[in-house]
Amino acid sequence: SQTIHQWPATLVQPVGSPLSLECTVEGTSNPNLYWYRQAAGRGLQLLFYSVGIGQISSEVPQNLSASRPQDRQFILSSKKLLLSDSGFYLCAWRGWTGRSSGANVLTFGAGSRLTVL
Amino acid sequence: DQQVKQNSPSLSVQEGRISILNCDYTNSMFDYFLWYKKYPAEGPTFLISISSIKDKNEDGRFTVFLNKSAKHLSLHIVPSQPGDSAVYFCAASAGLYNNNDMRFGAGTRLTVKP
Repeated sequence: SQTIHQWPATLVQPVGSPLSLECTVEGTSNPNLYWYRQAAGRGLQLLFYSVGIGQISSEVPQNLSASRPQDRQFILSSKKLLLSDSGFYLCAWRGWTGRSSGANVLTFGAGSRLTVL
Repeated sequence: DQQVKQNSPSLSVQEGRISILNCDYTNSMFDYFLWYKKYPAEGPTFLISISSIKDKNEDGRFTVFLNKSAKHLSLHIVPSQPGDSAVYFCAASAGLYNNNDMRFGAGTRLTVKP
């Protein structure tokens, strides 16, 4: 079965410091991968998605970047964090659930809570 | 831009009663809708979906209704159980096979009281 791993689970960083969040998927090949952010009181905002190695699409301009160095690895980075980067970051992959009521859906990792001070 | 809106940030119901969570959307191109459930410190998990060719989809205690003319969908949970207490996100996309532009609402926190 497919599993998705994210780390670290919790991170507290000072303003201006770098960031690296990692996500890996097991049990599937060539998945579409996504980074979402949930800010306090807001819905899930799509940040980046990737349809293959080295292919990154950005949804919003910001000081974050993403990379996909391997088929099942997706990395979210920043060179200098801002206070507004605080939030709950979620990695997801797209696939079929195999259930009749849910076909092509996003499966999320457990998330990474980032607090920028 | 808020293309998917969940206007009720919270909902509280008694165990055994019906929970109704509502969601509105503005983009007429959306034709695939999903509900996700999220517990604290965990990622959202898929609950149920519906495509625009249907107006109702049922899966056990969960039923999603879609009113395309009103651009409105709702999730009914009957009977509600304490384990259903979580944040529920509504999501929508244009195309069953295209999640690259999936939009989420802000979520509704459901509390089911024993």
